[in-house]
Parts: sequence; structure tokens; C-alpha cells
Amino acid sequence: AQSVTQLDSQVPVFEEAPVELRCNYSSSVSVYLFWYVQYPNQGLQLLLKYLSGSTLVKGINGFEAEFNKSQTSFHLRKPSVHISDTAEYFCAVSDYNQGGKLIFGQGTELSVKP
Amino acid sequence: DVKVTQSSRYLVKRTGEKVFLECVQDMDHENMFWYRQDPGLGLRLIYFSYDVKMKEKGDIPEGYSVSREKKERFSLILESASTNQTSMYLCASRPPGLAGSADTQYFGPGTRLTVL
Repeated sequence: AQSVTQLDSQVPVFEEAPVELRCNYSSSVSVYLFWYVQYPNQGLQLLLKYLSGSTLVKGINGFEAEFNKSQTSFHLRKPSVHISDTAEYFCAVSDYNQGGKLIFGQGTELSVKP
Repeated sequence: DVKVTQSSRYLVKRTGEKVFLECVQDMDHENMFWYRQDPGLGLRLIYFSYDVKMKEKGDIPEGYSVSREKKERFSLILESASTNQTSMYLCASRPPGLAGSADTQYFGPGTRLTVL
């Protein structure tokens, strides 16, 4: 069965510094990859998704992610973070062969300090 | 604007009570989902529904049931609440179709349930 691992449970970073949140998934023939963000006391909203084509995907709020099939990774990056980026970030995989269910990683808490 | 609403943001119940969590979406989506979110475990799928009166078990259905009588409404039921069901519950909906697995899921704000 498909699984997703987010390698860091917490990532503290200073404002305007770059950040990378790591995500690995177990191998599958065809998957779709997502990053969702959850701001405090809110539900999840989509940051970006990879379906096919270019391996570099750009999302909202200046985030981007790179799909690496050989390393089964989908790491999220931002070159310069803001205080408002403080949130929990979830990587998810949708496996077409599993009826399109989303499998989520454990989440990474990004804490941006002034 | 897309909207998924959940009946309560916070709920406190006692062990053994029957608990109903309601979710309504206004996007005419066929697919709806219930997840629970726990620290360090991410989101885990409890039940989902592809259409009215249809339901499928997710990864952790034990202790839960669901009801989908109308397209826009998906209810999660805890028949006899227990303390280990204290959690954040999130509802989501998604468009239908062959590309459904590639489509975005839209989430409600969540219900934080405490069972005493």
C-alpha cells in the first residue's frame, strides 16, 4: 500500500530564510502528489499539486515543489519565508489504483521566527 | 467561492454518548470524506462516499458510521463515544470523474471533539 513520510516533524526558521520541507512516498506506477497547508485553527487548503509534465511545480504564496521519480520524493521549498507562513504542512499522495484516496504524511510544523 | 462547513468547531461529549458530526458542501461534489487528525499521525481516512446513499470504509472505520441521504450532506456518527475518539475531525469534498484522483479535495474548518 502507498505510504508517505515527512522527514521532519518540526522546522524552525528565521524570517526571510529559505526553507525546504521534505516528503518521500513509497513507489507506485502512477501517483499524483499534493502539498496542503493548515493555518492555525483552520482546515487544509491546497498549496500545489503534481499531476504530470514539468517536475517543478509552482504553487500559491511563493512555494514550489520538485517531483523526483528516481528518489520518490516531492520536497517543498520557499526561497524566503514570512511570519505568515507559520503553519502545518502536509504532503499527500493519490494513487489512481487505490480509487483516488489521499494518503497523508504525518505533517511538518513550520515555525517562522522574527 | 468553494465552501465546506462543519456544524461545530468545538464539541465536548461524555463517554457512551451518541455523537453526530455534520458536514455540508455547496459545490455539488459527488465525493465526500471524513478524516481524523492526530498529532504525529497526520490525517487518516475514516469513511468516504462517492454518491448519495453510498459509503466505503477508509483506513480506520472502527467505532464510526456515516450517513449520506443528500448529496450536499455527509454525517459522521460515533455510536458510543470513547475517550480514544478525542480528536480533530475534518470533512472534505472532491469533484467526481475519472480524473477524480487528481482533483483537489476541499476541506472544512474541522471539529475538535473532546470525549470525557
